[in-house]
Amino acid sequence: KQEVTQIPAALSVPEGENLVLNCSFTDSAIYNLQWFRQDPGKGLTSLLLIQSSQREQTSGRLNASLDKSSGRSTLYIAASQPGDSATYLCAVSRISGNTPLVFGKGTRLSVIA
Amino acid sequence: GAVVSQHPSRVICKSGTSVKIECRSLDFQATTMFWYRQFPKQSLMLMATSNEGSKATYEQGVEKDKFLINHASLTLSTLTVTSAHPEDSSFYICSANSGGSATDTQYFGPGTRLTVL
Repeated sequence: KQEVTQIPAALSVPEGENLVLNCSFTDSAIYNLQWFRQDPGKGLTSLLLIQSSQREQTSGRLNASLDKSSGRSTLYIAASQPGDSATYLCAVSRISGNTPLVFGKGTRLSVIA
Repeated sequence: GAVVSQHPSRVICKSGTSVKIECRSLDFQATTMFWYRQFPKQSLMLMATSNEGSKATYEQGVEKDKFLINHASLTLSTLTVTSAHPEDSSFYICSANSGGSATDTQYFGPGTRLTVL
């Protein structure tokens, strides 16, 4: 059974700092991996999707890497801003893009101005 | 991008009543939709897979007679929580895939906050 773990569970940093969020999964036979953002009481916003054949994806200040063989992914946020404060969720697909996702518990990020 | 809506966004009901939550894909057809549940400070957990025109597939531990799922069209899936109890209070989120390609991302609805008194 696939399990996704995210470390740390919570993180507080001063504005402007670069930071790394970690995600690990037990079964390396994934199809893709996604990072989401969730604001309190809200739904999910997809940030980055990495196919299993890819090593990384970038969008603005965000960069996600994937090491499928070791079952790890990282989300790098450059020059953090207070508006980045949210919970970041990592999720992997089981077989294909049209199958349900297995989520980690998330990392709750607070960026202090 | 593709949009998925949910209605209602928030509902408060008395114990023993039934609540229906709608999930709609607004600008694409979805033969499959997924229903997740998220308890406070917990991960999203898959409850069931909703298939258009056929019975839903439930995850282990999810009572199919309590959580009724109907996927009557390619743009609408409904989740009905029957005889709701306080322990059913949670955040319910649906998702849908916008196309047949395995590379397509899943689009998530904004979620429904259910509070059972």
